[in-house]
Amino acid sequence: DAKTTQPNSMESNEEEPVHLPCNHSTISGTDYIHWYRQLPSQGPEYVIHGLTSNVNNRMASLAIAEDRKSSTLILHRATLRDAAVYYCILRDVPNTDKLIFGTGTRLQVFP
Amino acid sequence: DGGITQSPKYLFRKEGQNVTLSCEQNLNHDAMYWYRQDPGQGLRLIYYSQIVNDFQKGDIAEGYSVSREKKESFPLTVTSAQKNPTAFYLCASSMRVRGNQPQHFGDGTRLSIL
Repeated sequence: DAKTTQPNSMESNEEEPVHLPCNHSTISGTDYIHWYRQLPSQGPEYVIHGLTSNVNNRMASLAIAEDRKSSTLILHRATLRDAAVYYCILRDVPNTDKLIFGTGTRLQVFP
Repeated sequence: DGGITQSPKYLFRKEGQNVTLSCEQNLNHDAMYWYRQDPGQGLRLIYYSQIVNDFQKGDIAEGYSVSREKKESFPLTVTSAQKNPTAFYLCASSMRVRGNQPQHFGDGTRLSIL
């Protein structure tokens, strides 16, 4: 399974944009990039996913590098409720039955 | 509201005892999953089920058992053979096992050993 690399932690101030990076240099052509986040003592929550093109939804934007070896989750205006662990996951859609979670990035948001 | 309900929120197990964690969903999803999370770690897959009366082992199935008699229910039994059961257990569901449908998670059950 292709692996992802994320920073252990990041910090942001409230109302500022946050860019959460993810490296996936061994990504294959059929791997989709998924992002989930997990608040303390809760189950993970789906955020966004993409294949090649940048994606936007009400929660965040996903920017995917042209060579697909890296991607960035963008929170446009961080709030205190965005403080969570963010997981970047590669999903081989035609072939895999599971999500493989790494240790993610712990985002702290300061007022 | 549609969602996944896990119960109980906290559970304590005595040595040599089997315990069962409940997971119910009303999302009409075909696929259901059980994950285990240890402190500071990501989630690891225990078992998953694509349809009723069928399930497959994940990466860490030893010491666990499941059943899928109804579409909406996927209980997990932690048996006495699981020597290190203390963890946060998460149940999830999705429309299908393969594909891009996101997985929806419950709020978890925290299991501890007495």
